[in-house]
This record gives sequence, C-alpha cells and structure tokens, in this order.
Amino acid sequence: KAGVTQTPRYLIKTRGQQVTLSCSPISGHRSVSWYQQTPGQGLQFLFEYFSETQRNKGNFPGRFSGRQFSNSRSEMNVSTLELGDSALYLCASSLGQAARFQETQYFGPGTRLLVL
Amino acid sequence: AQKITQTQPGMFVQEKEAVTLDCTYDTSDQSYGLFWYKQPSSGEMIFLIYQGSYDEQNATEGRYSLNFQKARKSANLVISASQLGDSAMYFCAMREGAGSNYKLTFGKGTLLTVNP
Repeated sequence: KAGVTQTPRYLIKTRGQQVTLSCSPISGHRSVSWYQQTPGQGLQFLFEYFSETQRNKGNFPGRFSGRQFSNSRSEMNVSTLELGDSALYLCASSLGQAARFQETQYFGPGTRLLVL
Repeated sequence: AQKITQTQPGMFVQEKEAVTLDCTYDTSDQSYGLFWYKQPSSGEMIFLIYQGSYDEQNATEGRYSLNFQKARKSANLVISASQLGDSAMYFCAMREGAGSNYKLTFGKGTLLTVNP
C-alpha cells in the first residue's frame, strides 16, 4: 500500500505571496492532519480534516487554511507569506475511526518551504 | 506546562549497544495513546511504536520496546542492538481523549547518534 505523499517537496516563495501544499493520504484513510515543524517551535498542529470537514484546529492565524476533497486528498494554503512561515510542513493520515486516541498517524515526507 | 517532556536533547550510543530515550507526559485523561516517531535528516516522520493507556503490557516492535510506567507517567523508548541507521531525531508524542480533540502533541525530540 502506498504511503502518504506530499507535493511539492521543496518550495521557495517571497514574502507576501501565497502557497498551496498538497497531501494524498494512505488509501482508505479519511483523516488528514497538518503540522508545521520549525527549529524554534518544534512540531505544531495546524488542523485536521475528516470527510471534507475541518474537525480540529491548532493555534495558527487565519492565513493558514486547508480543505479536503471527496477522495480524502487535502490541500493546505498559506496566504500573505511571512519569513516566519519558513518550515517543514508535514501531513499525516489515519483511518479517522472512533477511539482516535489509539489511532496511529502516518506521515508523509513533508514539504520544505523557504520564504525569502 | 509541557504535555510531553524529552529531557535528553542528544544521546550517543555505540553500535550494537542498547539505548533508552526518555519521555514523560502530562495528562488528566484516562484514555490516551503514546507514540514514538523517528525522523531522519530527510525529514519524514517514521512511526515506530504505540502504547495505549489501557495496555497492561509494554509494547514491542522488533528492536524497539516501550518501557511504560503509568504511575510515573513515563514512556521511555528502548532501542536494542543499535545500528548506524538508527541515527536520527526521535520524538515522543501523545494523543489524548475526546476532551483534547485527539490532537497529537509532540515533545522537543532527542537526537540520537550511533557511533561505529
């Protein structure tokens, strides 16, 4: 079974631009979560989508948004990029069933975003 | 207060020896899951092992085992017979129950270096 895929793998943008990152979950997984990883803040939860609906959200400004499609693929958008948005963005998928505290999230390879 | 604490920023181990990576957690939930992930320099988060709060036995997965001490709220990862390929960042993570929306919270990580 194919793992979680993320595109693009690397991205360079300038301040003020916007960016869209894509994530394809493991087949059969309906939950997709996004994380931001920086050296200073570590891994921080952005949001989770399940059945095309945002089910959970972290403490990030409204410039960070996402969506999920009917095939469970998800996109994350960051508008008006700031230098501090430079990070590794990781997507993770899981089945999304009940007793979710037991569910393992499987991560993709990440997208490295550099904002100049 | 930090939910997940990894007190060892860096650890060194000789090839073929065992190493223990520490993790303590803080939660008031009765239902929670504890996870360990490995992150090589490539960036991908690789799932290693899971321990549920109701599991009475310590989890094991090949060379990985989890030393779960519920009363002390610790979930240390033990890697036996270290290999050079084990050199990576290791993250402890917790997924709490419904009250926390099942968000996955990570520690700061431990950088493990395996010496030949």
